Amino acid sequence: SAVISQKPSRDICQRGTSLTIQCQVDSQVTMMFWYRQQPGQSLTLIATANQGSEATYESGFVIDKFPISRPNLTFSTLTVSNMSPEDSSIYLCSVGPGLRDTEAFFGQGTRLTVV
Amino acid sequence: AQSVAQPEDQVNVAEGNPLTVKCTYSVSGNPYLFWYVQYPNRGLQFLLKYITGDNLVKGSYGFEAEFNKSQTSFHLKKPSALVSDSALYFCAVRSQDTSGTYKYIFGTGTRLKVLA
Repeated sequence: SAVISQKPSRDICQRGTSLTIQCQVDSQVTMMFWYRQQPGQSLTLIATANQGSEATYESGFVIDKFPISRPNLTFSTLTVSNMSPEDSSIYLCSVGPGLRDTEAFFGQGTRLTVV
Repeated sequence: AQSVAQPEDQVNVAEGNPLTVKCTYSVSGNPYLFWYVQYPNRGLQFLLKYITGDNLVKGSYGFEAEFNKSQTSFHLKKPSALVSDSALYFCAVRSQDTSGTYKYIFGTGTRLKVLA
């Protein structure tokens, strides 16, 4: 299993500004995942972050808007840039699913409100 | 294309009654299926998974799920619901993209409300 500390847990931001979300894992992991969960919606994968290489973004998400860092095997950040009210969502990081049968473990999420 | 469907946005059940939260899937090959629960202001918590073996899978908090290959379903069940089970439940299937990375495809979620 893995324990993930995600912060901040919530924030209210002005439009046009940026917010960086941090995720710290208690063990070394190869791949980390970043999701967006819009109000009342399911989880949408933003990107996968592999240590030592650029993140891989899903369709509809771009690096300029959601830059990701993965400086080591236990840490990652997601920045939401030039925010607008449409970016108001819960953002979650996770580790897994993995190579074997392993399930995923999630951070507690960051609830972002853009005003 | 692989997909997961949760046909019910919300399920209401009285405390003490059995509950079922439905999930159907469409995958190529053998499915790796998962259930997660999300309590308010929390991340997702793993409940149970089906990889292979017995069709009835037991998980956390008294939940179980039945894998039915012919009906391509993986419904979540609990014999006796608790008010504290009220939460958002997600079914997910593991898929693999062209680069070999494993990812989840999530259903739309079902809100379970257990009434006292």
